Amino acid sequence: AQKVTQAQTEISVVEKEDVTLDCVYETRDTTYYLFWYKQPPSGELVFLIRRNSFDEQNEISGRYSWNFQKSTSSFNFTITASQVVDSAVYFCALSEEDSNYQLIWGAGTKLIIKP
Amino acid sequence: DVKVTQSSRYLVKRTGEKVFLECVQDMDHENMFWYRQDPGLGLRLIYFSYDVKMKEKGDIPEGYSVSREKKERFSLILESASTNQTSMYLCASSPDTGRNTEAFFGQGTRLTVV
Repeated sequence: AQKVTQAQTEISVVEKEDVTLDCVYETRDTTYYLFWYKQPPSGELVFLIRRNSFDEQNEISGRYSWNFQKSTSSFNFTITASQVVDSAVYFCALSEEDSNYQLIWGAGTKLIIKP
Repeated sequence: DVKVTQSSRYLVKRTGEKVFLECVQDMDHENMFWYRQDPGLGLRLIYFSYDVKMKEKGDIPEGYSVSREKKERFSLILESASTNQTSMYLCASSPDTGRNTEAFFGQGTRLTVV
C-alpha cells in the first residue's frame, strides 16, 4: 500500500499563479517526520522542509508555505506567485520511528510554470 | 558548502558489463544511501550504509551490491548490467543524529544499459 501519495502527476500553471501540491501519508506511528524536496532539471534533490508529527503549526518561508493537518494525514505545499524557476519535480517523503526513520517517498509531482 | 559528488552524470553500458557508480561526500556523515529514480515510482532505496564496512539492503537490492571501505565513499555495483537497470541513480548522505535529519543528494547518474 502506498504510504505517501502525491496524486498530482503533473501540474502546469502560468507564472504568478498560486499552486498547491498535495501530499497524503499513511502511518501508525505517533512519532514521524514529513519532508518536502525539490528536484530541478539539474537533477540534484534539494531539501525544503522537515516537520515532526508533534508540530502542526503551518510554516511560511517566503513564497512557500506548508499546511500540515494530522486529521486528514496531509502535508500540502503551496507556492504563492509562482515563478519559472519553481519548475521542478517536488517530492514528499515520510520517515517513521517504526521503520527506523528510512525515508518513504511519494512518486513526485512535476510542476511546470509557464512564462 | 556541503557536497555529495557522483562520479558520472551520464553512463552508457552494455548488457552484462560490471558497472561501478561512485559517490563521495565531504560532510563526515555516517549514513549513505543509494536510490534509483524511475518515472511514477519516486525514489526507491537500493542499499544504505550507516558506517564503514556496514551495509543494509533497501527495498530493491536484487542485481546490486555496494562497498563502503571509507567513510566518505559509497560505491554501487551492478554485477551484470541489464536493460531493466536503465535508470537515474541518486546517492545521498545524512548525519546520524536521531536519523530524522534531512539527506543531502548528489546530482544523479543517468545510466543507460543497451
